[in-house]
Amino acid sequence: SQQGEEDPQALSIQEGENATMNCSYKTSINNLQWYRQNSGRGLVHLILIRSNEREKHSGRLRVTLDTSKKSSSLLITASRAADTASYFCATVHSSSGNTPLVFGKGTRLSVIA
Amino acid sequence: DTGVSQDPRHKITKRGQNVTFRCDPISEHNRLYWYRQTLGQGPEFLTYFQNEAQLEKSRLLSDRFSAERPKGSFSTLEIQRTEQGDSAMYLCASSLGQGFQPQHFGDGTRLSIL
Repeated sequence: SQQGEEDPQALSIQEGENATMNCSYKTSINNLQWYRQNSGRGLVHLILIRSNEREKHSGRLRVTLDTSKKSSSLLITASRAADTASYFCATVHSSSGNTPLVFGKGTRLSVIA
Repeated sequence: DTGVSQDPRHKITKRGQNVTFRCDPISEHNRLYWYRQTLGQGPEFLTYFQNEAQLEKSRLLSDRFSAERPKGSFSTLEIQRTEQGDSAMYLCASSLGQGFQPQHFGDGTRLSIL
C-alpha cells in the first residue's frame, strides 16, 4: 500500500513559472524524500529532509516539511521544459531502520515552452 | 556511467512462463532494493538485501517471486508461473548502508504478460 498522497495529480505550467506540489503522509517518519521520474526511466533522488528540519533548499528546489500536519511541499522555481516529469514523495518510517521507501502516487508536471 | 543497471529493459512473455531479471547495483553500495511500479502509480517495495542477506520482504512478494543476491553484488528477481497481474515495471535501487542515504534507481525492466 502507498502511504503518501501527492496533490495535484497533474500540473501544467508555462516555462518560467513556479510549480508547487504537495505530499501528505499517514505515519511518523524519520525523513521524507522527493524523487523525479522521466517517462520510461528510473527515479532520480532530488532532496531529503529529516523530521527535525522544516525547510531545505537545493538549487531551484525548495522543500518544506510540517510534521504536525504530516505534509510536505516541493517548490520548483523558474521552471524549464526539462523539468517535465513525474515527482514522487517517499517516506521512511521512524522505526524502519532506513527501509523501505514508501512512495505516493506522484504528480505529473508538464512545463510548456 | 557506473549507475544501477538492469537487464533486460523489456520482457514480453506468455502467461505461465518463468522470467528472471538482473540488477547490478553501484559497486560500493551494500544495500539493494526491488520495487514494482504499475502505470500511474508510485513504486511499491518488494524486498531488500544488505550484502547477501535478504532482510525484508513485502506481502506483495508472493510465493511465485524469489530474489537472490548470492555474492552481495548483483541480484536476480525471478517470477514463476507469471500471471497477467504481474505486468509492471520492476525497479532496482541501491544505497550505502550507513544512516539514511538516498536510493539510486536503475531504469527498470518492463514486463508484459500476454
